Amino acid sequence: DAGVIQSPRHEVTEMGQEVTLRCKPISGHDYLFWYRQTMMRGLELLIYFNNNVPIDDSGMPEDRFSAKMPNASFSTLKIQPSEPRDSAVYFCASSHGLATKQFFGPGTRLTVL
Amino acid sequence: SQQGEEDPQALSIQEGENATMNCSYKTSINNLQWYRQNSGRGLVHLILIRSNEREKHSGRLRVTLDTSKKSSSLLITASRAADTASYFCATDTNSGYSTLTFGKGTMLLVSP
Repeated sequence: DAGVIQSPRHEVTEMGQEVTLRCKPISGHDYLFWYRQTMMRGLELLIYFNNNVPIDDSGMPEDRFSAKMPNASFSTLKIQPSEPRDSAVYFCASSHGLATKQFFGPGTRLTVL
Repeated sequence: SQQGEEDPQALSIQEGENATMNCSYKTSINNLQWYRQNSGRGLVHLILIRSNEREKHSGRLRVTLDTSKKSSSLLITASRAADTASYFCATDTNSGYSTLTFGKGTMLLVSP
């Protein structure tokens, strides 16, 4: 198994631009999580899906953030418009079960200038 | 507020020494997990200990859990330079559907 796949690995964009992060979870996992990691705030849960359905998006910071999971093998996190304070590493993780062992992708390092 | 908080924030040791990291949490849990993160990488699951377990081993890792003190410790024995990483504890809450909450981690540096 290739593990959780994220793309792009690095993204540099200018303030106001739309950013789309992509994730392919491990096949057979029924939960998918999006996290954001910064030095100041640590690892924050943004949103999670169960069987492609968004369950809790209370961690999404603002309406500028949206996430979708159109099928079991693909999810996107979109920021529109992006702002410099969105600069962080964004991780996708998947698991079989809610509070069980999670498998993390390599992350996308986002820099908004 | 953080459910799990690691202590110390940073730890520097020599190869061959043991490293101990602690995690404290606030509310009752179902399980506690430890993860490792190498620089520039995603988190990797190390070990899961359930609330009814007191100790668990995996290779050079030993995890203890004291639910009365709401604390856990991760011991890495005979450390190696390759153990250099950040270590995070993650807890769920014993209240229905609960996701994991991660602490801010302990940064471990193992010098050759």
